[in-house]
Amino acid sequence: ILNVEQSPQSLHVQEGDSTNFTCSFPSSNFYALHWYRWETAKSPEALFVMTLNGDEKKKGRISATLNTKEGYSYLYIKGSQPEDSATYLCARPGGANSKLTFGKGITLSVRP
Amino acid sequence: DAGITQSPRHKVTETGTPVTLRCHQTENHRYMYWYRQDPGHGLRLIHYSYGVKDTDKGEVSDGYSVSRSKTEDFLLTLESATSSQTSVYFCAISLDLTYEQYFGPGTRLTVT
Repeated sequence: ILNVEQSPQSLHVQEGDSTNFTCSFPSSNFYALHWYRWETAKSPEALFVMTLNGDEKKKGRISATLNTKEGYSYLYIKGSQPEDSATYLCARPGGANSKLTFGKGITLSVRP
Repeated sequence: DAGITQSPRHKVTETGTPVTLRCHQTENHRYMYWYRQDPGHGLRLIHYSYGVKDTDKGEVSDGYSVSRSKTEDFLLTLESATSSQTSVYFCAISLDLTYEQYFGPGTRLTVT
């Protein structure tokens, strides 16, 4: 089983704060890295799928970077809003023909 | 939104009874997955399917079986439910094994 680790486990920030999370994974046999956003009482939704070292993707105030050589990805949220409160999951396939392994997620709570 | 439905959405059953959960998609995606979500564990893969009658085990497959007789339907069966199988079950679909996954609304199963 692939070891995909996320830190911190939970985060509490004030509205307007910027924050970032880390996803760490084995760098060998890298194929892709996924980020999902999971709001309470809803289903996970894909944010980004990243494949190239140095990739940077952005969606509104959320962006992500990827370092495949050292095995990590950062997710940044600029100017957090209460509606950003959710669990953020990262996931990595074992290789080109392998299923995803999810990290345990980072729960973000944004106080108004 | 991807057309994925799960039924039932909620179920309470007794230990030792068989239970079948259904996932139905209208997107014609090749891959379908069953996950369970438990506190402290994130999403864990139970079984997945890569085509009609083609299935494989995930990391927590003991006590579960699956079937896929049509592209659009993926069934998860608990042959004899146990209290440890109390969980929220999510179905997901994807075009390819490493592509982003789209999740159903979830089924909350309680085994008493």
